[in-house]
Amino acid sequence: DTEVTQTPKHLVMGMTNKKSLKCEQHMGHRAMYWYKQKAKKPPELMFVYSYEKLSINESVPSRFSPECPNSSLLNLHLHALQPEDSALYLCASSRWTGDLYSNQPQHFGDGTRLSIL
Amino acid sequence: KQEVTQIPAALSVPEGENLVLNCSFTDSAIYNLQWFRQDPGKGLTSLLLIQSSQREQTSGRLNASLDKSSGRSTLYIAASQPGDSATYLCAVRPQGGSEKLVFGKGTKLTVNP
Repeated sequence: DTEVTQTPKHLVMGMTNKKSLKCEQHMGHRAMYWYKQKAKKPPELMFVYSYEKLSINESVPSRFSPECPNSSLLNLHLHALQPEDSALYLCASSRWTGDLYSNQPQHFGDGTRLSIL
Repeated sequence: KQEVTQIPAALSVPEGENLVLNCSFTDSAIYNLQWFRQDPGKGLTSLLLIQSSQREQTSGRLNASLDKSSGRSTLYIAASQPGDSATYLCAVRPQGGSEKLVFGKGTKLTVNP
């Protein structure tokens, strides 16, 4: 069982819909991440939050809007998505120990399988 | 630009065999290297993380080594089992302030009973 919980597990939406993906962890991690993974490809980083503040946006289109309401929760708001956005969306978290945070492993959830009609 | 390569792309072995998965990276300036396992349709499970100052890490039947100067890492799996069948990904965290993991494309392992 993963310690990072993502909901929903599957989501089908039309291009005009608005939906949100949710991610929750209770390991006290202060860095949280969104990744996108297409079939048979490695994960691609989308966003990084450190201490609830957005620290990295990998030039992601504005139709993806992240939100970190508190240290345990990470949301990804979706609006006007395109068929090519269909993918597995993975959330991850890691500890922050000042300068040493880069040596902490990332823990992943099981992902949300998103299909855009 | 850091690039990570995993060879082979797929590997099929009989149960009980010891095996080695390979990972190479182009820039030795890394904080750490992490090995993950991914089952079909699932997220990534962290197996081992090797810091740049370390040479190897062990967990159960798994042993990962790191030769930073040559840009190579190996994941050794002893006495393989059908339950080890999955895609194995390695990822490096480059130095230079980046929080980004650079992943290889993975090795798909099948262990036949």
